[in-house]
Amino acid sequence: AQKVTQAQTEISVVEKEDVTLDCVYETRDTTYYLFWYKQPPSGELVFLIRRNSFDEQNEISGRYSWNFQKSTSSFNFTITASQVVDSAVYFCALIVLGNQFYFGTGTSLTVIP
Amino acid sequence: NAGVTQTPKFRVLKTGQSMTLLCAQDMNHEYMYWYRQDPGMGLRLIHYSVGEGTTAKGEVPDGYNVSRLKKQNFLLGLESAAPSQTSVYFCASSYSGASKRGYTFGSGTRLTVV
Repeated sequence: AQKVTQAQTEISVVEKEDVTLDCVYETRDTTYYLFWYKQPPSGELVFLIRRNSFDEQNEISGRYSWNFQKSTSSFNFTITASQVVDSAVYFCALIVLGNQFYFGTGTSLTVIP
Repeated sequence: NAGVTQTPKFRVLKTGQSMTLLCAQDMNHEYMYWYRQDPGMGLRLIHYSVGEGTTAKGEVPDGYNVSRLKKQNFLLGLESAAPSQTSVYFCASSYSGASKRGYTFGSGTRLTVV
């Protein structure tokens, strides 16, 4: 069975602080894909990143970075120098070769000015 | 604008009423999905379709039916609405099950069943 766990339900940080959102996944499949989505207060779901199970290289995109570690089944997301616009709910998700997304329960991030 | 369009955006139903949610995409995607989002539970898959004329059950299909008569449209039906179906419903589409960009999501439909 597949499962995604985001243990942090809510996080608050002061603007300009760094923050890491944790994601732990479970799957027995050797081929899978991991995603992060952002859901701002307006409600839409915004794609942030996709990683396949064969690519453990970390990725940086501006203030965002992702750390994928198969040894610990984790795909953590770090925001550097957080901004108020980063306030949102962030979802980690997993797809295996069956087309179904398995979403975590989300982490609500509040950045305080 | 290209993307996934959901109608309606908001709806209030009385228990026992029926309704259909429409999802339309203009990206020629093969795969389409319906999810519901409930507080503290993330998104859960209701039904999905891997092509025109096909549908399949997801994690929480009970109480819902779907149809994919045209490639660009994916309809979600509630035959007899129940308060437990109060939720935000998201439609999504993709070229394949694990496309590089993941899914494209619609903006959601907030349904309240009273």
